[in-house]
Amino acid sequence: ETGVTQTPRHLVMGMTNKKSLKCEQHLGHNAMYWYKQSAKKPLELMFVYSLEERVENNSVPSRFSPECPNSSHLFLHLHTLQPEDSALYLCASSHPNPGQGNEQFFGPGTRLTVL
Amino acid sequence: QKEVEQNSGPLSVPEGAIASLNCTYSDRGSQSFFWYRQYSGKSPELIMSIYSNGDKEDGRFTAQLNKASQYVSLLIRDSQPSDSATYLCAVTRSGYQKVTFGIGTKLQVIP
Repeated sequence: ETGVTQTPRHLVMGMTNKKSLKCEQHLGHNAMYWYKQSAKKPLELMFVYSLEERVENNSVPSRFSPECPNSSHLFLHLHTLQPEDSALYLCASSHPNPGQGNEQFFGPGTRLTVL
Repeated sequence: QKEVEQNSGPLSVPEGAIASLNCTYSDRGSQSFFWYRQYSGKSPELIMSIYSNGDKEDGRFTAQLNKASQYVSLLIRDSQPSDSATYLCAVTRSGYQKVTFGIGTKLQVIP
């Protein structure tokens, strides 16, 4: 256990559905991330929140909508997804520190299948 | 040019041998380097961090960094079948939120 939890662990949804992924970190970190991991591709950074403010948005389609109500919780709201959005969605948290690293700790991920 | 390059493998080594995993990066401003291990169907797990040129050892793992050559490597001594996984190299600038990952090298340790 890394101290980062994600729910649900598996999700199957149709293209017209709306669903949300949830992430919670118990590490006292101040930054949280959403990544997408597809087969044979590097981890793709989607969103970064630092102190509950979005600081990075990597040209992600608007059908993905993040929400960070506080430093411990992060959501990814999904609507009208496409089959190519099927992937493993990973949440991570860290405490970036100048002069030190940005060691990120990952949750177990949500395996998303879009039919 | 990819920002972080790794050979996707698979890299096959016999049990007990040394596995050598390599990574190059393009951003000369990178100052923090990480190795993650990812078992099939699981999420990445941080196993090593290195920030200075040279070697850093932790048990059977040694990370090596050469900033002049923009090269970082991970050596696994006395490889075990349980080390079979994909190893992700990641780099970032110091204190910067964005971390860039390589595609990962799949390691197979043959009993």
